[in-house]
Amino acid sequence: DTAVSQTPKYLVTQMGNDKSIKCEQNLGHDTMYWYKQDSKKFLKIMFSYNNKELIINETVPNRFSPKSPDKAHLNLHINSLELGDSAVYFCASSQDGLAGAITDTQYFGPGTRLTVL
Amino acid sequence: QKEVEQNSGPLSVPEGAIASLNCTYSDRVSQSFFWYRQYSGKSPELIMSIYSNGDKEDGRFTAQLNKASQYVSLLIRDSQPSDSATYLCAVNGIKAAGNKLTFGGGTRVLVKP
Repeated sequence: DTAVSQTPKYLVTQMGNDKSIKCEQNLGHDTMYWYKQDSKKFLKIMFSYNNKELIINETVPNRFSPKSPDKAHLNLHINSLELGDSAVYFCASSQDGLAGAITDTQYFGPGTRLTVL
Repeated sequence: QKEVEQNSGPLSVPEGAIASLNCTYSDRVSQSFFWYRQYSGKSPELIMSIYSNGDKEDGRFTAQLNKASQYVSLLIRDSQPSDSATYLCAVNGIKAAGNKLTFGGGTRVLVKP
């Protein structure tokens, strides 16, 4: 029944490691997003994909590489993890996601708390 | 100037009172505005969306939009302890190719019994 799901819920790792976070939505939406929420609770968009195509890339370091195998899945791979990458990462999805879709609404997954030691 | 600004709070409200939350935004051409509620350790949950000037009511929640003043607000009537959470204002920008939500830093609301 979960609309937007993420795995894992918690991720604790050492600096320099590579890790992935997975996201799946069963809402039939065309667009999926990755957001980062830092310790000060600011929620900022990182990427969005519409039907497997990247449409937003918010000047995120290239250590972060999103991959969308199909429109229901959007994974986030992070190379060479740094202390500053510690945050909660939220996946979201929306029906349309393209510019001009005024009533388009985003629904969020439960989040993945990443801690880099 | 931040693109979307909110008072961080905490906004302390007695149970049964009205909580009034404010949000200002800088992009004059923004067309979509959303209020999300986020409980501690949980994900943002949509509670209201508004697209036209004026008021929009949904249960105990009322969103108010004034595009000329670049201002959107949320009223919570008959506040309950379960309303204690952080409320995030989000604005949809149309400059990007895709649907890009910019969030404010959130207002923490504490409803005291």
